Amino acid sequence: DTEVTQTPKHLVMGMTNKKSLKCEQHMGHRAMYWYKQKAKKPPELMFVYSYEKLSINESVPSRFSPECPNSSLLNLHLHALQPEDSALYLCASSPRPGQGAYEQYFGPGTRLTVT
Amino acid sequence: AQKVTQAQTEISVVEKEDVTLDCVYETRDTTYYLFWYKQPPSGELVFLIRRNSFDEQNEISGRYSWNFQKSTSSFNFTITASQVVDSAVYFCALRGVIQGAQKLVFGQGTRLTINP
Repeated sequence: DTEVTQTPKHLVMGMTNKKSLKCEQHMGHRAMYWYKQKAKKPPELMFVYSYEKLSINESVPSRFSPECPNSSLLNLHLHALQPEDSALYLCASSPRPGQGAYEQYFGPGTRLTVT
Repeated sequence: AQKVTQAQTEISVVEKEDVTLDCVYETRDTTYYLFWYKQPPSGELVFLIRRNSFDEQNEISGRYSWNFQKSTSSFNFTITASQVVDSAVYFCALRGVIQGAQKLVFGQGTRLTINP
């Protein structure tokens, strides 16, 4: 089973709202990732968790707050977003961080619209 | 620096034609990994293939084949007898390790449209 699930599929939120995106995998992977993808662009890395610890933050604004409660779950908490944050948010996982040629498996994404 | 270039922004062909998607990469690493992903309109990136830098064998999987040439830093992807279901955006990516974590450097993607 190479499935990464994400909820919700679609989200519309106002600039003053607080919402969360959820990602889950049951493949025993120990690295998890958040990406942001704008239309007609490749995914851009936001955060990397290695063994449930934040290992990379690509200078993402603090209105995005990641959380990894356990090895299977990854959340992205959203607060006071801007319209330009509207995008497809993709979660991915891979077996091990660091060494080794491990492909990342992606979820279907959450399409976020900020009004 | 690591970089991936997919010069073809969009390709449109008629069903059953063969089509090749180009990928050129830059890296100073002696060991590196290359990937192809497919992104259909639904949005999910689907892993297609991984190629290690020390393995230059070409690979065929059904109608898909990949040509890896280190001499020209290219990793091209060919679909034989294309089908409408092959319509998607295809990304080539290079793996680099930054701060101990795997990071994918993506090309800009090639939007492939297969017309009936």
